[in-house]
Amino acid sequence: DAKTTQPNSMESNEEEPVHLPCNHSTISGTDYIHWYRQLPSQGPEYVIHGLTSNVNNRMASLAIAEDRKSSTLILHRATLRDAAVYYCILRDVSVGGGADGLTFGKGTHLIIQP
Amino acid sequence: DTGVSQDPRHKITKRGQNVTFRCDPISEHNRLYWYRQTLGQGPEFLTYFQNEAQLEKSRLLSDRFSAERPKGSFSTLEIQRTEQGDSAMYLCASSSRRGEEPQHFGDGTRLSIL
Repeated sequence: DAKTTQPNSMESNEEEPVHLPCNHSTISGTDYIHWYRQLPSQGPEYVIHGLTSNVNNRMASLAIAEDRKSSTLILHRATLRDAAVYYCILRDVSVGGGADGLTFGKGTHLIIQP
Repeated sequence: DTGVSQDPRHKITKRGQNVTFRCDPISEHNRLYWYRQTLGQGPEFLTYFQNEAQLEKSRLLSDRFSAERPKGSFSTLEIQRTEQGDSAMYLCASSSRRGEEPQHFGDGTRLSIL
């Protein structure tokens, strides 16, 4: 799976929107963009994924750049429970790809101030 | 959906002992993955199964590590002759057949080697 680059940490205030960036300049046409988060003492939790179009679900929104070389995870109204490490991961789903495990980087440590 | 279950949650053992961890995936999921996570790092993929077939095991850290999924349901990860460096969180995840579908993680087994 191709590599992603994320800031080590970000800080935001409670009840404000949070935009978490991810760069993936070597993304291929068959790479889906996945986001997971990991709260302290828990396993990673799936947040959202997309291929080309922006995506929304109950947890977050995913904005994908037109050239697909970057994406942004948007938490519309952060709460203290959103404090976690957020991982941006590319997942190749071509024939023969997508079968192996996820490749996690160090992610972005999101700090939420009350 | 009872989620992915891992047992035990914590394991403390002496160096040189063998340990075995169990993972019960979400019942309808064909794919099961094992990861290891050390402090401050993202999870590291170890191996995965599709039903009872182990389709990737080259990432297992050494020949002391082995995994089984005999009936295509639960899985076990065994570490023989444990070493200090094996201290980590061992995570299990499962997913449905489609490659781009998200993985659902358990909360892991934390292994401490004395």
